[in-house]
Amino acid sequence: GAVVSQHPSRVICKSGTSVKIECRSLDFQATTMFWYRQFPKKSLMLMATSNEGSKATYEQGVEKDKFLINHASLTLSTLTVTSAHPEDSSFYICSAKRFRDSNEKLFFGSGTQLSVL
Amino acid sequence: AQSVAQPEDQVNVAEGNPLTVKCTYSVSGNPYLFWYVQYPNRGLQFLLKYITGDNLVKGSYGFEAEFNKSQTSFHLKKPSALVSDSALYFCAVRDPYSSASKIIFGSGTRLSIRP
Repeated sequence: GAVVSQHPSRVICKSGTSVKIECRSLDFQATTMFWYRQFPKKSLMLMATSNEGSKATYEQGVEKDKFLINHASLTLSTLTVTSAHPEDSSFYICSAKRFRDSNEKLFFGSGTQLSVL
Repeated sequence: AQSVAQPEDQVNVAEGNPLTVKCTYSVSGNPYLFWYVQYPNRGLQFLLKYITGDNLVKGSYGFEAEFNKSQTSFHLKKPSALVSDSALYFCAVRDPYSSASKIIFGSGTRLSIRP
């Protein structure tokens, strides 16, 4: 089956630094990738939709300058949390849609736990 | 606006007993409904979906879910629980007229199966 690799699984950083999270589709081409954020005991909240070769579409309330998304190839999307602050601490998950799959057939990464000190 | 609710943070069941994980939704029109499972240190995995047709949907690992339009529910069920079913389960809904990205997830229910 299709595999999505998300790296790192856990990162601890100092306030003010930037953190990059990678999401790779290992055995398929992902025309679209999605980035979510999950707070404890809260649902997954869609942050942005990333299409290969074009600018990401951000959900309302998500700062695009804060959460930089790059989808430079059909197998890689990155989320960079810039100038991270403690309130950015959260669990971030990516998912990928394979070309020609139905919209519901998403493959998820294992998530990244970000802790900002 | 569409939404989905999972009223239980945790469900505890003895192995071999039937299990139910509850989910209710709110969406205009006919919803697309999904269940995903997340095992420790793994990504979410698709379990099953309801789009149209038979209200009882069968999915992976022996799970099934029943769509109940009058109660706006889509509860996940399994006749006989296994210890290996212990995981975090997410219900999700999408308005069929919205874009692909607009899948809304519930807050998750942790299922714990005791031997």
